[in-house]
Parts: sequence; C-alpha cells; structure tokens
Amino acid sequence: DAKTTQPTSMDCAEGRAANLPCNHSTISGNEYVYWYRQIHSQGPQYIIHGLKNNETNEMASLIITEDRKSSTLILPHATLRDTAVYYCIALTTDSWGKLQFGAGTQVVVTP
Amino acid sequence: NAGVTQTPKFRVLKTGQSMTLLCAQDMNHEYMYWYRQDPGMGLRLIHYSVGEGTTAKGEVPDGYNVSRLKKQNFLLGLESAAPSQTSVYFCASTLAGASNQPQHFGDGTRLSIL
Repeated sequence: DAKTTQPTSMDCAEGRAANLPCNHSTISGNEYVYWYRQIHSQGPQYIIHGLKNNETNEMASLIITEDRKSSTLILPHATLRDTAVYYCIALTTDSWGKLQFGAGTQVVVTP
Repeated sequence: NAGVTQTPKFRVLKTGQSMTLLCAQDMNHEYMYWYRQDPGMGLRLIHYSVGEGTTAKGEVPDGYNVSRLKKQNFLLGLESAAPSQTSVYFCASTLAGASNQPQHFGDGTRLSIL
C-alpha cells in the first residue's frame, strides 16, 4: 500500500471549515484513499473514502486531485467535538482490508 | 446493534501471566483484526482473520496468538505477558476484505503489564 504523508498538527476555529491535506504520490490505480479519525482514547472512527471521484457524506467531503497524488479532507463546519487525530490511509483491493496507520494529523478545534 | 465489543476494557497483569482478550461483533462481518496502539503512535496490526477458522499474521505478531472459532468472535491471547506488551488493543471488523468497505472498531482494551 502507498505511503501517505500528513502534517503533524493543525488548528481550526470552531464554525470554520477544516481542510486536512494528505499526500500519496505513489498511490496505485486500485488503491482507495480512506480517512479515519480517533477522538482521544477511543477506537478509530471511519469518516469517508474514495477512489477517483470526490465524495461527500454527512460527516465530510473528500477531494482527490486528478492525478490522485494528493487529497484533502474537508470538515465543513468544525465543532469542538471534531478535535481528534485524523488518519489518511491508502488501501489496495488485495490487501485483505489491512489498514496501515501513520501518525496522522492532530486537529485541535478552538472556540 | 452493539457493533464491536471488546472485553475486558482494562486489565493489569504481572510479567509472565497469560490472558485472553475477547472481541465480539454482531454485524456478520467476515474479516476481523487486532491492532495495538502505543502512546503517540498510530495503530499497528497484530493478527487478522478473513473467516471462521482462519488467521494470519500482521505487522507485529510476536508474543501473541489468536483464534477465530466462531465467525462473530476473535480472541487475542498473550501466553507470557511482557512489559513491552503494555498497550491499548483495538479490535475491528469489516463486511468483506474488499477495500471499499470501512472497518468498525471497538473501544479498546487498556492493558498494563508490570
């Protein structure tokens, strides 16, 4: 699975959009981009995933560049409860679903 | 619908003791996983199972054994606990191994080995 690179940390003001970048320059054509988050001491929570097209659900939007070498997770209206570590993970179809977690991005939403 | 349930939530062991962590899921998922998370780090895969009666090693399998006798349960065993196994253990499951299915995680078991 492709290695992903994320910033170590970022701050966001409550009510504003949070844009979390992820680089995956070696991603292959059959690798999905997944985003999970982990609120302090809890189990990781699935947010969204995509292959080529941009995706949106009730939690967030995922923007994938045309060359698929990077993506951005957008939390449209950040709340204090969005403070968490966010993980960007590339996952191939033949990897038995095994997730490789990096260190992620610590996002702190401030009032 | 309980999702993924881990038992126990906390445990303190002495070096050399053995114990089993239980993971149960009620979503009829085929694939199950055990991860460990050390302070300040991401999760690392210990073992996984792609179906009842099957198990496979992950990234950090040494010192652990697993069993999947029933589809809904995935057990993680420590035969002789060591301080290096002090960690938070997470279980996860997914409907199938295809990469377009998200994993569902339990709330973790916090294990301390003295």
